[in-house]
Amino acid sequence: DAGVTQSPTHLIKTRGQHVTLRCSPISGHKSVSWYQQVLGQGPQFIFQYYEKEERGRGNFPDRFSARQFPNYSSELNVNALLLGDSALYLCASSPADTQYFGPGTRLTVL
Amino acid sequence: SQQGEEDPQALSIQEGENATMNCSYKTSINNLQWYRQNSGRGLVHLILIRSNEREKHSGRLRVTLDTSKKSSSLLITASRAADTASYFCATVVNFGNEKLTFGTGTRLTIIP
Repeated sequence: DAGVTQSPTHLIKTRGQHVTLRCSPISGHKSVSWYQQVLGQGPQFIFQYYEKEERGRGNFPDRFSARQFPNYSSELNVNALLLGDSALYLCASSPADTQYFGPGTRLTVL
Repeated sequence: SQQGEEDPQALSIQEGENATMNCSYKTSINNLQWYRQNSGRGLVHLILIRSNEREKHSGRLRVTLDTSKKSSSLLITASRAADTASYFCATVVNFGNEKLTFGTGTRLTIIP
């Protein structure tokens, strides 16, 4: 079975631009979560979606938004990019307690 | 914000030795999980221990949980070069809400 997939792998943007990151969960998993990992730190929770409904939101500004589609795939959108948004963005899907992570999208903001 | 702190921040041992990493957290939890991350890529789930469990084993891994001290430890026995990675503990506060709150991580280096 395929694991969690994320696209793109790497992305370079400039300040003020907008970015969309995509995630496809493991087949049968209805919950998708997004995390931001800044270099040298542990991942920080951004959003969780279950059955297309937002179930949780971390301490991130409104520039960050997400949605989940009927096929349970998800998008993370970040508007008005700042240099501090440079990070590894991780998506995870879950059938229950355990979360299975994708390889991440490395976002660099110049 | 980070829920927990791992200790030590970095650990280097010889291949074949045992590695122990510790994690402390701040609030009551439903479960605690350990993850491994290679070279800043995706995280791999290692083991989950629930708040009513005290010890759990999986292959060469042993995890303990002390809820009175709000701490956990991960023991990797007979270490191998492939164990070189960063290890994170993560807590889940509420059952049914799978939000993971991660610690700061331990960077483990196995010297061949």
